[in-house]
Formats: sequence, structure tokens, C-alpha cells
Amino acid sequence: SYVLTQPPSVSVAPGKTARITCGGNNIGSKGVHWYQQKPGQAPVLVIYYDRDRPSGIPERFSGSNSGNTATLTISRVEAGDEADYYCQVWDSSSDREYVFGTGTKVTVL
Amino acid sequence: QITLKESGPTLVKPTQTLTLTCTFSGFSLSTSGVAVGWIRQPPGKALEWLALIYWDDDKRYSPSLKSRLTITKDTSKNQVVLTMTNMDPVDTATYYCAHRKPGYYFDYWGQGTLVTVSS
Repeated sequence: SYVLTQPPSVSVAPGKTARITCGGNNIGSKGVHWYQQKPGQAPVLVIYYDRDRPSGIPERFSGSNSGNTATLTISRVEAGDEADYYCQVWDSSSDREYVFGTGTKVTVL
Repeated sequence: QITLKESGPTLVKPTQTLTLTCTFSGFSLSTSGVAVGWIRQPPGKALEWLALIYWDDDKRYSPSLKSRLTITKDTSKNQVVLTMTNMDPVDTATYYCAHRKPGYYFDYWGQGTLVTVSS
């Protein structure tokens, strides 16, 4: 089945830019979605189809996807952005399954 | 306003069958393109997709758990039920249900329910 790999952790200073990668075989051909999860809370969709933001999500959150890597970028990082982030795709192969990445803990220094 | 809420036992014994119910509002599971999925998260670990049921009653399961899972819907009650057989301590997790609009992502999630498997 399809595998999505993320770095376990990313650290960033307030006001700087955090980039979280999501690696998968030819992931650029798939739609990638990103979720933010704060401790004790359910995940929240922050980016869908590579770069679209749901209403209510700040413009500081953006995404890109090409080749074997998708990236979630958080600009002007705030303390409230500290959370776990997960990428997700739909694998249209024979299993037709939904796949989540391994998750990245973003720490704001 | 779309809301979902999971309900079910908080503790099950090994080998038992787990039955979880997702009760939702704000949408209809008879609307074309709509689906409801189940996702779980063991303590301190990543999200894992389990199953999904579509408006037309088509169903999809995680290949690794397919033999143990059954997902059904009751459109009149706005509920989706997930059963998982032969529970094991490694199945201890928070179980979430989530709304999937046309498009392969989950835009609304329930609060989750923690299920512990222990004798």
C-alpha cells in the first residue's frame, strides 16, 4: 500500500517560516491534504488539494506538491501553530484507500 | 452546521467485538458524493484510516484491517456504525468519525472516543 513519510519534528522561532514535508512515490500526481492537531483535540483540515485553504484558515498556511514531495508552509509562525501536522492522500490503486502520513510535531521555540 | 459525535464503550476485553456509532447532523448521507469515514489514533501515534461508507452504500476498508471491519449506515437516523472484531490491546486508540464531502479529504471531525482494550 501507499506510504507517506514526514519528518518527526520541526522547530521554528516565532515569526519565521516552518516547512513540513510529506514524501511519497509520485505524490505530485495526487491531491494532498493537510491537518493540524493540537493536544487532546480532533484534527482540523488546514489545506486541501495541495494548496486550497478552508474558510477560517489563515493565509499564513500554504501548500505545494511536486514530484515525490508535498510541502506545508507556515509563514510568520505563531505560538498557536504548535501542533502535530499530518498529510493525507487518496490512493486510487486497487485498494482505493485513504492514507495518512506519519505526522510532524511542530515546536515553536 | 455539520457536527459528528462518536459513541460506544470505553473499555473492551481482548477478543471481544467493538461497536461504535457515529451520530451526525447538518448533512444527509443520501446526498450524492457524501461519505463518512472512521479514523483511529493510538496514544502518541499517527492517524490511521479504517473505513468509509458512501452515500450509495459503497464501502471501503483499510486493507490491513479489512477482515475485522464492517461499516454500515442508517440514513433515517443519521448514523454510521463501525464494528471491529477480535479486539486486541494494540487496538487501544481514540476513534474518530469524519465527514467527507465530494473530494478525497475529511472536512469535519467528531471529537473522538477513547477505546481501551484490556482484560
